[in-house]
Amino acid sequence: QVQLVESGGGVVRPGRSLRLSCAASGFTFSKYAMHWVRQAPGKGLEWVAVISYDGSNKYYADFAKGRFTTSRDNSKNTFYLQMISLRDDDTAVYYCVRDPKGSSTSWMYFDSWGQGTLVTVSS
Amino acid sequence: DIQMTQSPSSLSASVGDRVTITCRASQYISTSLNWYQQKSGQAPKLLIYSVSTLQSGVPSRFSGSGSGTHFTLTISSLRPEDFATYYCQQTYSVPSMNTFGQGTKLEI
Repeated sequence: QVQLVESGGGVVRPGRSLRLSCAASGFTFSKYAMHWVRQAPGKGLEWVAVISYDGSNKYYADFAKGRFTTSRDNSKNTFYLQMISLRDDDTAVYYCVRDPKGSSTSWMYFDSWGQGTLVTVSS
Repeated sequence: DIQMTQSPSSLSASVGDRVTITCRASQYISTSLNWYQQKSGQAPKLLIYSVSTLQSGVPSRFSGSGSGTHFTLTISSLRPEDFATYYCQQTYSVPSMNTFGQGTKLEI
């Protein structure tokens, strides 16, 4: 069955960096676009970034541009989110999400979600 | 950017009730509208995609309708496990920060 397992979350001070990973299994990872979606405590869902099936195209939410970088290693079935210059308002659960469409500019729906990893930015 | 607005933001209902949640898009989104359910402490789960297609395993008491800018999610007869937060999502104009609505919390 499809599994997405995030890791790398934790407590970090403002201005520092963190890299999240998402290990995928149970499907042909290299065929799917992958997204990061976050949820601040008690708040709604907020899209963060998308990467196309082959890693050639990436897009970011405005708040993530210049600070977050997503990448993937299809040989390892793993997907990453590198975050730098973290701010208090980046505190959230970060979900790794699968989109059946391989494209980063044409989305279908988010049919599989990881359990999420909590990032807490605090001094 | 397209804005997605759900109403109500919260809703109190009882087991057995018929419930409808509305999602409005600020611009035309055709039928590129999905619904998710999120239970407390869990990841969201895809319920319905392309307005009205039930994801595999989703009970038939859930249904979706609409087109253009106005969409609804209906639960025909609430069960205890349906109390959750529901989100709509547009995938017509992407990439977009505003892909999700703000959520509707369905409470007892």
